[in-house]
Formats: sequence, C-alpha cells, structure tokens
Amino acid sequence: ETGVTQSPTHLIKTRGQQVTLRCSSQSGHNTVSWYQQALGQGPQFIFQYYREEENGRGNFPPRFSGLQFPNYSSELNVNALELDDSALYLCASSARGHRNTGELFFGEGSRLTVL
Amino acid sequence: SQKIEQNSEALNIQEGKTATLTCNYTNYSPAYLQWYRQDPGRGPVFLLLIRENEKEKRKERLKVTFDTTLKQSLFHITASQPADSATYLCALPFMDSNYQLIWGAGTKLIIKP
Repeated sequence: ETGVTQSPTHLIKTRGQQVTLRCSSQSGHNTVSWYQQALGQGPQFIFQYYREEENGRGNFPPRFSGLQFPNYSSELNVNALELDDSALYLCASSARGHRNTGELFFGEGSRLTVL
Repeated sequence: SQKIEQNSEALNIQEGKTATLTCNYTNYSPAYLQWYRQDPGRGPVFLLLIRENEKEKRKERLKVTFDTTLKQSLFHITASQPADSATYLCALPFMDSNYQLIWGAGTKLIIKP
C-alpha cells in the first residue's frame, strides 16, 4: 500500500452538479497530482499542487479546480458536471527534491459516474 | 506534440514464459521513463524507472530497456506467473516539466496457467 488515501471511493452525480474529491498524501510527500482516467485509457494529467499552489495544469477547463492544505492533503473540485466527466480520478503524491525523478504513489481512486 | 504508444491488444502468455511489452514515443527525448502496473479498479503502482543514459534496468523478474535512438522501451517479465496478469503502463515526464507525467494507454497482460 502507498499510504495515499482517497475519498469517496465511488459516487454518482447528475449532470450539472458539483463534486469534491479528497486525497491524503503519503507521509513526507509535499506534492500532489490529480489525474483523470477514462476506461481503457491511460491517466490524463489534470494539475499538480506544491506548497499549496497550483504548479502545472493539463488540458482541463477551469471548472476543474483544486486545493492543497498545509498538511499536503488535497481536494479536486469539479463544477457543472458533464457526462464525459465520468472516470476514475486518481490522486498521486510525490516528494519533490533534487533527487526526485517523478515517481508517483497513487491512491486507489474515486470512481465518478455522471448520469 | 508528445505521443506514447503501447500495444492496445491484450498479450496472452503461457505461465513460465517471458512476457515482453513495448512502449514507443515520438517528438521527444525524455530524461527517463517509468513503468507502472495497474490492476482493475485500482491505482497504478510504480515498478521501475530507467534513465536516458541507462540501457537496461533489472528488478527481480523484471527487466526494462531504453533505446533512445529507436525511441522505445521494452518491459520484460521472466518466468511469468498468473499473478503478473494486469495492465502495464509506461509514463514519461512532460516535455516542459520533470514533475508531470504523460502516459500510454497500457497493455493488458494475461498469463495463462
């Protein structure tokens, strides 16, 4: 186990609603990244947080937003949900430093279904 | 733009044989490449990292090669076991950042007893 925990594990929402997903990073890790994984696809980078600031963003609209807290835990918020937002949302923590090469430690994911 | 390709067809291998998976990339010269394992409904798990100046890396029954001329990495599992059945993903750092990864779609490996 990686020590990265995500909640909730499964949820169902309707189109237009808002959702908040939560992630607790592994002890000692100061960086959290969020990925969206559609069925049969590789993870797609949403954004990354380092020291409570967004530090890189993928090709996702502004209705995808996030936060990182002083204890390095993080939230992903998605507004105005669309059917295509249905996916597995993965949180990954890592330790940034001069020896770091980007190895990610993933949680088990939050499976979002939008009806 | 950067592109990563993995064989989308499932790979069926007899138990005890060596499984070889391929990761090809274009428009890029990454400093390193990573391989992950993902079981259904679960998050990816890191397996191995290989740097651009390394030709080969081993970890127990796993071996990864990295050919920067061919822009290809091969991932080998020797003496394969049914428990090795999973989807294997390769990932490279995003061109403008060492802290963001882009991913292949993964190859599903099935080891038959």
